[in-house]
Amino acid sequence: AQSVTQLGSHVSVSEGALVLLRCNYSSSVPPYLFWYVQYPNQGLQLLLKYTSAATLVKGINGFEAEFKKSETSFHLTKPSAHMSDAAEYFCAVSEGETSGSRLTFGEGTQLTVNP
Amino acid sequence: KAGVTQTPRYLIKTRGQQVTLSCSPISGHRSVSWYQQTPGQGLQFLFEYFSETQRNKGNFPGRFSGRQFSNSRSEMNVSTLELGDSALYLCASSISGRALDTQYFGPGTRLTVL
Repeated sequence: AQSVTQLGSHVSVSEGALVLLRCNYSSSVPPYLFWYVQYPNQGLQLLLKYTSAATLVKGINGFEAEFKKSETSFHLTKPSAHMSDAAEYFCAVSEGETSGSRLTFGEGTQLTVNP
Repeated sequence: KAGVTQTPRYLIKTRGQQVTLSCSPISGHRSVSWYQQTPGQGLQFLFEYFSETQRNKGNFPGRFSGRQFSNSRSEMNVSTLELGDSALYLCASSISGRALDTQYFGPGTRLTVL
């Protein structure tokens, strides 16, 4: 079965600083990987996804992630943090084609942006 | 296009009661998945429906059930509620339910069991 580990349940950065949220996955099949963001009292919004087309994936709001098979990682980055980026971020892996749209999520990383 | 809608947004029930939550997917989407989100267990997959058939099921007791209607709207039911069922229940829809499809999430239903 697939699994996802997000290193750091809380990350704090200053406004304008680099954002780096770490995600490592375990998968027995070529994975599809996703990053979602959740704002308070809201559902999840897709930031970006990796579906094997390109290892560097660009998403919304200036976020990007790089798929590194050798490191089984899919870390999320943004060059310059904005106050509006404060939210909880979830990395997720697809269980594979035989499991339809079922996702396995990491524990989440709460991002705080300090002025 | 309207997003995924969930009703009700908030619900308070007592132990032993039953509850039904509703999810309306984005128009044209045929797959609906349900997730439970709690502070202790995080986001956990409940089940997925596609064309009125349950296609996948997570590791939850039989008290949790669901169904999908011909218009792709879905309901989930929890019987004999327990305190531990207090959670945010999220519904997500996708066009065809393939693994690489983008899933669009609704705002969730916050269930509190007293």
